[in-house]
Amino acid sequence: DAEITQSPRHKITETGRQVTLACHQTWNHNNMFWYRQDLGHGLRLIHYSYGVQDTNKGEVSDGYSVSRSNTEDLPLTLESAASSQTSVYFCASSDPGLAATDTQYFGPGTRLTVL
Amino acid sequence: GNSVTQMEGPVTLSEEAFLTINCTYTATGYPSLFWYVQYPGEGLQLLLKATKADDKGSNKGFEATYRKETTSFHLEKGSVQVSDSAVYFCALSPLGQGGKLIFGQGTELSVKP
Repeated sequence: DAEITQSPRHKITETGRQVTLACHQTWNHNNMFWYRQDLGHGLRLIHYSYGVQDTNKGEVSDGYSVSRSNTEDLPLTLESAASSQTSVYFCASSDPGLAATDTQYFGPGTRLTVL
Repeated sequence: GNSVTQMEGPVTLSEEAFLTINCTYTATGYPSLFWYVQYPGEGLQLLLKATKADDKGSNKGFEATYRKETTSFHLEKGSVQVSDSAVYFCALSPLGQGGKLIFGQGTELSVKP
């Protein structure tokens, strides 16, 4: 069965370190998204991609970057981790094209703690 | 701008009680509307959706009607079960913005036997 996976599921790091969170989907979806979930804020969009070599900034992109070298993967990098980036991170994918009605499929999440 | 407002939780109900979780939105044009559910320790999964005014989305006994005149998409279920305990998110996808989702803050539901 097609799925979307994230790794690691839990990560503890220190302030200033670079961290990369992996997202891999086997749906062959063009669209991929990264969100962070914080209490009282729901989920907020960090970055998104509509295909290979395409990346776009979301609502809360400062301090994060993504790259899309193939259809299956969209790794999220925290260039210099800050305590404010302690959160639960979700990756999602959807298909086809740019329709607003497309269902997004979510990964299980990565809980990141920055000390 | 686009935004979603949900009723605050947590909501605690007894099994077989009637559930309503309020959701209102602000958006230009005609967004698509969604309810997602997050069970403990898991990612979000789509519960139901509606794409135009007066559409009713339904799934697993839950339903919600797209009300443009009141900019609302309230979630209802006639008889909740313990297994419905989860966090529920209302979301919108603005027209012409590539399927991006804007979420409400989530409402935690706890159903007691």
